[in-house]
Amino acid sequence: DAGITQSPRHKVTETGTPVTLRCHQTENHRYMYWYRQDPGHGLRLIHYSYGVKDTDKGEVSDGYSVSRSKTEDFLLTLESATSSQTSVYFCAISESEAGELFFGEGSRLTVL
Amino acid sequence: GQSLEQPSEVTAVEGAIVQINCTYQTSGFYGLSWYQQHDGGAPTFLSYNALDGLEETGRFSSFLSRSDSYGYLLLQELQMKDSASYFCAPRGAMDSSYKLIFGSGTRLLVRP
Repeated sequence: DAGITQSPRHKVTETGTPVTLRCHQTENHRYMYWYRQDPGHGLRLIHYSYGVKDTDKGEVSDGYSVSRSKTEDFLLTLESATSSQTSVYFCAISESEAGELFFGEGSRLTVL
Repeated sequence: GQSLEQPSEVTAVEGAIVQINCTYQTSGFYGLSWYQQHDGGAPTFLSYNALDGLEETGRFSSFLSRSDSYGYLLLQELQMKDSASYFCAPRGAMDSSYKLIFGSGTRLLVRP
């Protein structure tokens, strides 16, 4: 199994508070991704990174920011959480741009 | 534009064969991936087709027809543990990079 961990695994927060989710990998893969999964919508790409300090937006990036200061860590930040951001967030890594994705176990976020 | 269609639910009997179809439309196409996700778990990679034809991996096979923008996942000798959601994910071009596009997935229920 790919060495990828997400933290926290579960979080409940209130509307308007900042939240940061962390993805940590031990595989030294170049590419890292943040997806959200909601019923009826499958997996939607939020942001991705193709190297340290190199990030780009996905299809649902509004309200989210990311940072990657080290190869192994990819942080997803909700500056001011809203109830619409209640979701399960998955981090994924891949060795190459066209390679298969290895997913973390997910972080369940509830915004009240 | 981009679109992706697969059935929302499929039910089959243990030991049977089931086919999950996927039609897609993407801006630029590089290949079709399939992922499996059990309830409460993370998606895991099953197969990838870059060329037309059938790829076999044990009980699972995946087919691609690029000219028809169509693919399917074939599961043989169904087992109860195959009950899961299955996502086809075409890899298309988005802003000169390669992105996996996930749909809502097909929920497979295997009955005794």
